[in-house]
Amino acid sequence: EDQVTQSPEALRLQEGESSSLNCSYTVSGLRGLFWYRQDPGKGPEFLFTLYSAGEEKEKERLKATLTKKESFLHITAPKPEDSATYLCAVQERFQGAQKLVFGQGTRLTINP
Amino acid sequence: DSGVTQTPKHLITATGQRVTLRCSPRSGDLSVYWYQQSLDQGLQFLIQYYNGEERAKGNILERFSAQQFPDLHSELNLSSLELGDSALYFCASSVGGGGNEKLFFGSGTQLSVL
Repeated sequence: EDQVTQSPEALRLQEGESSSLNCSYTVSGLRGLFWYRQDPGKGPEFLFTLYSAGEEKEKERLKATLTKKESFLHITAPKPEDSATYLCAVQERFQGAQKLVFGQGTRLTINP
Repeated sequence: DSGVTQTPKHLITATGQRVTLRCSPRSGDLSVYWYQQSLDQGLQFLIQYYNGEERAKGNILERFSAQQFPDLHSELNLSSLELGDSALYFCASSVGGGGNEKLFFGSGTQLSVL
């Protein structure tokens, strides 16, 4: 089965302090790598999908990049409202349907 | 607001009991997915339905079952509950069923088995 490992498990930053979250994966034929944001007590919220090595996508202070073995979520000049758990997932070939295999997530805290 | 509605938000029950979780997908979405989230296992795929038919089955226990109705809402039935079934259960929906589509998640049902 595909494996997804996220690091670090938790990250605490000061407002404005840029950093990166890592998602490494092993998959036989990547069909898509997804980033989601999850706030406490809520369901995951879609951020990005990346399909091939070298691809990059941006949204506000977030930029996701993809290589053949890992993905990074770069956070530039974060604000307290960026505090959340960030989940990475890969799409696995599964019974002709879509199955997402999620990592354990990185819990990000931005202090004002 | 994702447009996916799950009820109830919280459920407290005893071991051995049976419960039903309900999900209404976004308008126009044909696929419904059920996921279980626990602290030690993370988000685990349980089952997917597409337009009323079971499309894929993941790590779903035999004590659990699901269905999708003609109006596309879905129910997840959990029976003979055990302490270890305590978790957050999420429903998600998407337009299609087999491609690289983003999933829209509901807010979840927090199940506590005492």
